[in-house]
Amino acid sequence: QQQVKQSPQSLIVQKGGISIINCAYENTAFDYFPWYQQFPGKGPALLIAIRPDVSEKKEGRFTISFNKSAKQFSLHIMDSQPGDSATYFCAASNRGGGADGLTFGKGTHLIIQP
Amino acid sequence: NAGVTQTPKFRVLKTGQSMTLLCAQDMNHEYMYWYRQDPGMGLRLIHYSVGEGTTAKGEVPDGYNVSRLKKQNFLLGLESAAPSQTSVYFCASSYSYRGGEQYFGPGTRLTVT
Repeated sequence: QQQVKQSPQSLIVQKGGISIINCAYENTAFDYFPWYQQFPGKGPALLIAIRPDVSEKKEGRFTISFNKSAKQFSLHIMDSQPGDSATYFCAASNRGGGADGLTFGKGTHLIIQP
Repeated sequence: NAGVTQTPKFRVLKTGQSMTLLCAQDMNHEYMYWYRQDPGMGLRLIHYSVGEGTTAKGEVPDGYNVSRLKKQNFLLGLESAAPSQTSVYFCASSYSYRGGEQYFGPGTRLTVT
């Protein structure tokens, strides 16, 4: 059972455009939603994260939008740059108990064309 | 401060062979994790540890064993490797599993023939 569904699988955006990646979750006990960025040959690294008590969080060009009622959250990359080309993973975890660790989406391969 | 390190970086095994992957962290984190990454599958949790001497099963534990004898080290063992265990393995650590950032190592690419 996939608890975090991520789309699209791949995305091509022109330099300067907006990249949007979406995720949906099923487990209402999830209460921490990070996005990880992974470059080829490297481990994932935390990009930005949100908790369900806010609907939006912005850090520089990166914004998470969170819709608790729809159980969806998305990553927006404004003014996308070639250096943003990477694989992005959404994830979720539950502070209240159950399995530890993060539940990841399947990833989105983002290419920013110059 | 090296963060999270993994050894080896690459390994090729024959079916039935055994090996141990080593993860080390120098951030004094309590929590450590082993994930596997397969194309189109994201990262899936194999085992995790909430402190020295403790381990627990994750989503895909079958065929793997782990040990956490020292706080800074987390070992992943494959007793009898199978081609289905061909994957990239990532170790991670965190100060707290309660919604805290996980720091990932660079990964180990394992091929089982």
